[in-house]
Amino acid sequence: DGGITQSPKYLFRKEGQNVTLSCEQNLNHDAMYWYRQDPGQGLRLIYYSQIVNDFQKGDIAEGYSVSREKKESFPLTVTSAQKNPTAFYLCASKSYDEQFFGPGTRLTVL
Amino acid sequence: RKEVEQDPGPFNVPEGATVAFNCTYSNSASQSFFWYRQDCRKEPKLLMSVYSSGNEDGRFTAQLNRASQYISLLIRDSKLSDSATYLCVVKLSGGYNKLIFGAGTRLAVHP
Repeated sequence: DGGITQSPKYLFRKEGQNVTLSCEQNLNHDAMYWYRQDPGQGLRLIYYSQIVNDFQKGDIAEGYSVSREKKESFPLTVTSAQKNPTAFYLCASKSYDEQFFGPGTRLTVL
Repeated sequence: RKEVEQDPGPFNVPEGATVAFNCTYSNSASQSFFWYRQDCRKEPKLLMSVYSSGNEDGRFTAQLNRASQYISLLIRDSKLSDSATYLCVVKLSGGYNKLIFGAGTRLAVHP
């Protein structure tokens, strides 16, 4: 089955730790995105990549980093510099006008 | 002011009711418009695109008023399974086709 997978589903982090969220797609899409969702707010764009080996900052990139070494993979690292990382993180890829989302990772900072 | 504004709800309606959601957007460079559905603690999924002429998909009707920068979604004959949050989404022209998401309107359909 084609789709987007994210792991882990739930992640707990201690303050000061970096953590990496995985995102893999087998839809053969060039463009991939990372969003975070907080209660009562719309999805906000963290980073996006339109092609392998290229990525751009979104609206809230501070404290995050990404890589795009393979078309299928777009991991997101939440660094200790991110002041309020507790959120629901969604990865997406795009075909024409539609963005397809992975099931998300819930990150909680303890 | 938020770029995409929606009434957060919740809208509590009985099965079989007709319910309408509204959405306003502020950026005149908005090019395309969508409604996404998001179930509790799940990822958003595309419900339908919104065209200037209006479009219908079964019990769902979407309309766009570019002059007023206003989008609507009408659900007829509500089902229990329609209970979800409905996200209004706007795509801006140019660049990487940025999507702007509204915070969503929550719908609860009860027996």
